[in-house]
Amino acid sequence: QQQVKQSPQSLIVQKGGIPIINCAYENTAFDYFPWYQQFPGKGPALLIAIRPDVSEKKEGRFTISFNKSAKQFSLHIMDSQPGDSATYFCAASVDTGTASKLTFGTGTRLQVTL
Amino acid sequence: NAGVTQTPKFQVLKTGQSMTLQCAQDMNHEYMSWYRQDPGMGLRLIHYSVGAGITDQGEVPNGYNVSRSTTEDFPLRLLSAAPSQTSVYFCASTDRVGNEQFFGPGTRLTVL
Repeated sequence: QQQVKQSPQSLIVQKGGIPIINCAYENTAFDYFPWYQQFPGKGPALLIAIRPDVSEKKEGRFTISFNKSAKQFSLHIMDSQPGDSATYFCAASVDTGTASKLTFGTGTRLQVTL
Repeated sequence: NAGVTQTPKFQVLKTGQSMTLQCAQDMNHEYMSWYRQDPGMGLRLIHYSVGAGITDQGEVPNGYNVSRSTTEDFPLRLLSAAPSQTSVYFCASTDRVGNEQFFGPGTRLTVL
């Protein structure tokens, strides 16, 4: 059972475009929603994260939009660059106070062309 | 700080062989986890630990054992490797619940 559904599977945009990656979750107890960026041959690295008490968070060119009622959140990359070409994973977790177990989406492979 | 380190980087096993994937972190993090990454399936949690001497199962624990004798180290053991365990394995650590998890560079394992 996939608790976090991510789409699209792959995405190609031109330099300067705004790719949008969407995720939907089922578990209403999730209270932490990070996005990870992974380059080939490397481990994932945290890009940006949001908690459900806010609807939007921006860090540089990266923005998370969060819709609690729809149980959806998305990543927007403004003015995308070829260096943004990577695989992006959304994730969610329930912070129980004793453990933080991330549930990942299936990933989106982004290619930014010149 | 080296962060999270994993060895080996690549490994080929035959069905039935055993091996240990090593993971170490030098950030004094209490929480450590093992994930496997398979095409089209994202990363799935195998086992995790909330401190030395404490481990628990994740989403896909079958065929794997872990132990946590020190804060720094969290090895993953495959007792009898199977082709279904062919995957890329990532170790991660964090200092507290809800904070960023730092991932190691991964171990690519092939079981023939």
